[in-house]
Amino acid sequence: ETGVTQTPRHLVMGMTNKKSLKCEQHLGHNAMYWYKQSAKKPLELMFVYSLEERVENNSVPSRFSPECPNSSHLFLHLHTLQPEDSALYLCASSQDQGSGSYEQYFGPGTRLTVT
Amino acid sequence: GQNIDQPTEMTATEGAIVQINCTYQTSGFNGLFWYQQHAGEAPTFLSYNVLDGLEEKGRFSSFLSRSKGYSYLLLKELQMKDSASYLCAAKDSNYQLIWGAGTKLIIKP
Repeated sequence: ETGVTQTPRHLVMGMTNKKSLKCEQHLGHNAMYWYKQSAKKPLELMFVYSLEERVENNSVPSRFSPECPNSSHLFLHLHTLQPEDSALYLCASSQDQGSGSYEQYFGPGTRLTVT
Repeated sequence: GQNIDQPTEMTATEGAIVQINCTYQTSGFNGLFWYQQHAGEAPTFLSYNVLDGLEEKGRFSSFLSRSKGYSYLLLKELQMKDSASYLCAAKDSNYQLIWGAGTKLIIKP
């Protein structure tokens, strides 16, 4: 595997379910990100991890819970979601979080539908 | 507040040239990025500008004016495969990317 991978690619869950999204990067990067992408809206940064430490949490509801066990893996644990949480969830990584020039590499995303 | 503005949609003809504009307002500035996103796929990096001027990469060029808070992406010799959304993002003083909503580019034969 190369680049950034995400599983599952599609997920349908009820409002009372608990599920987890998984992201893995094979690039040796130090920073990882979770984004939410809704139709016709800007990408919303949810969480940032740098060297496995959370450095940013942009006022995300507690029903989203991130976990970064090591620099290659990132999880997003979901519980008691709302229909408005239906969106594409993108994981990204970059060499460094604090430098200006390093671009982010994105995974293919998980299309989440909350019923 | 921080904000990125870019047109919602543009249409161009195969073989032609198109310019996609982006204006930004951020707390501090550490560079501007352009990404391409095909429908149903991940965004992929196109270009990065931090100094004023034009950066050329094959058929794609990106321009930055820091004093005007303005950038554009120029696509030449358009091909059908260039049909995609183009995302503009500026890095603020905390090195966070502030994203625009994207410009959907439609290429017609």
